[in-house]
Amino acid sequence: EVELVESGGGVVQPGGSLRLSCAASGLIFNKYWMSWVRQAPGKGLEWVANIKHDGSEKFYVDSVRGRFTISTDNAKDSLYLQMNSLRAEDTALYYCASDPSDGYHDYWGQGTLVTVSS
Amino acid sequence: QSALTQAASVSGSPGQSITISCTGTSSDVGAYNYVSWYQHHPGKAPKLMLYDVNKRPSGVSNRFSGSKSGNMASLTISGLQPEDEADYYCSAFTTSRTYVFGTGTKVTVL
Repeated sequence: EVELVESGGGVVQPGGSLRLSCAASGLIFNKYWMSWVRQAPGKGLEWVANIKHDGSEKFYVDSVRGRFTISTDNAKDSLYLQMNSLRAEDTALYYCASDPSDGYHDYWGQGTLVTVSS
Repeated sequence: QSALTQAASVSGSPGQSITISCTGTSSDVGAYNYVSWYQHHPGKAPKLMLYDVNKRPSGVSNRFSGSKSGNMASLTISGLQPEDEADYYCSAFTTSRTYVFGTGTKVTVL
């Protein structure tokens, strides 16, 4: 059974940093692309970033490019999102998801909540 | 990277069929057959319902079907059931190798 478990969320001041983690089990982690998707309060889903299993390719939504960095550790079957220069509009529930091939996300975690507030 | 356009809400009675549309551009929905649909209960993990326009993952009911024409994709739920009540999002893979989600549709079973 595939399980994705996010952690690292919390409350942070504007301009601050936070690092999210996603621990994967039950899938061949080093064969998957992995994504981060977020949902702001009362809003819809927004794709944030994804990364190829070997880390050689990374893509970001325009609103986070230059502030967020996605990475993986295949030895730990883990995905990360380093978030810097956080803004109030980054407040959201952040999900990690697995991408078995181009075009979709098959497994999702339960999410970790990030709140950016002074 | 504007969100794909979906109706805010759709409703139907048990047993009826409903269709949710998802409109994008030639850079996303119209670019590839990489449209997927997700069922989401807020605060919970989204669930993949369809991928590659009309393919169902194992375990998803055949009451869910999908289609695409040009820059518009659609999800049809046949034989609507109370457990289908949820938010539904379309998603498309773009020519920039990113993803874009739809604005979301709340499905209500009357």
